[in-house]
Amino acid sequence: EAGVAQSPRYKIIEKRQSVAFWCNPISGHATLYWYQQILGQGPKLLIQFQNNGVVDDSQLPKDRFSAERLKGVDSTLKIQPAKLEDSAVYLCASSQSAYEQYFGPGTRLTVT
Amino acid sequence: DQQVKQNSPSLSVQEGRISILNCDYTNSMFDYFLWYKKYPAEGPTFLISISSIKDKNEDGRFTVFLNKSAKHLSLHIVPSQPGDSAVYFCAASEIGANAGKSTFGDGTTLTVKP
Repeated sequence: EAGVAQSPRYKIIEKRQSVAFWCNPISGHATLYWYQQILGQGPKLLIQFQNNGVVDDSQLPKDRFSAERLKGVDSTLKIQPAKLEDSAVYLCASSQSAYEQYFGPGTRLTVT
Repeated sequence: DQQVKQNSPSLSVQEGRISILNCDYTNSMFDYFLWYKKYPAEGPTFLISISSIKDKNEDGRFTVFLNKSAKHLSLHIVPSQPGDSAVYFCAASEIGANAGKSTFGDGTTLTVKP
């Protein structure tokens, strides 16, 4: 069974630029999550999708972050414009059950 | 206000000995707890979980203990192996409408010395 795929793996941008991350979850997993992990901290949930719909986006900075899940499968997370404090690893996860999540390798974003 | 706390940023143990990683939580609505393991440049991988109706769950060398009254859980690894060296995250989930939404601790870096 293929795992969660994410791209790119690394991205360096200047502040005020925009960036997009892509995630392909495990086939059949209805729930998809985007997390932000700052160095030295645990993953922090940004947004949770159930199929096409948003379940929770309470911690998504909506003035600059946006996310969508196309046809209930792939998802993209966008930051526009980026700030220095957005430097982090962005993790995508998917799940079939209510609890156990399967994570992708993450995208390491550096904003200079 | 951090609802899931792992107070030890790092732990070092000798190969073959027991590793004990601790986690405390404050939200009494949490009813399901998970441990994830993370190697560098990889995403976290699920290790073991426990429901609030249990106080112990065992899977091979890994055992998770839950003390609901103390709002404390721990992960025991016996015997520890060098390949267990990784960052371990404790996570907690609620029931009902928030099921599946996990809150993570900041992790404990375990180093197992040969």
